[in-house]
Amino acid sequence: QLQLQESGPGLVHPSETLSLTCNVSGGSIRSGNYYWGWIRQSPEKGLEWIGSIHWGGNAYYNPSLKSRVTMSADTSTNYFSLKLTSVTATDTSVYYCARQTPVTAEFDNWGQGTLVTVSS
Amino acid sequence: QLVLTQSPSASASLGASVKLTCTLDSGHSSFAIAWHRQQPDKGPQYLMKINSDGSHTKGDDVPDRFSGSSSGADRYLLISGLQSEDEADYYCQTWGLGTVVFGGGTKVTVL
Repeated sequence: QLQLQESGPGLVHPSETLSLTCNVSGGSIRSGNYYWGWIRQSPEKGLEWIGSIHWGGNAYYNPSLKSRVTMSADTSTNYFSLKLTSVTATDTSVYYCARQTPVTAEFDNWGQGTLVTVSS
Repeated sequence: QLVLTQSPSASASLGASVKLTCTLDSGHSSFAIAWHRQQPDKGPQYLMKINSDGSHTKGDDVPDRFSGSSSGADRYLLISGLQSEDEADYYCQTWGLGTVVFGGGTKVTVL
């Protein structure tokens, strides 16, 4: 059974870079031509898509975050990662990783989420 | 702009049925959507994808009491035989134009 698990610091200082990884188990990120995505959730904004990446390196990002986001995928360790630069308090959210189906693009497997707080 | 609209809340008695609606903006009324359930303090769980013709594909291990349908720009999620674990937030999601969009969510209360 496919499982996704987010990991990374729970506290990031303003203006620094938020870095998270998503470890995928029970399946390979190279199989099935899936994309792998990051979504965040806050009371103010609800669920907000950040971006998605294919293991081959093709990525697409939310236009509102694109200038600050970089995603990568590592097929040797079967994880993918997120970097969000120049964070502010408004980036405080629960961050989820998820598998995104090819073509129809729904998220069909989700991680449990990790809370990241931006504060000095 | 791709927009999904959901009612903020819905309620029904234990064992009854509830029908949730997700409405696509008029410019994208033919798009497919997905439904996700988020139980308290948990991550979202994929329920199903619904096409404009009402056909739908459910996720693995999604109970039979969940079904979907479509009419015009509206995409529906019907929960029959409500159980206590169905008290949750329900989100719709769509994709297109190089982006992914979520609705604001509907909070379902089981009375």
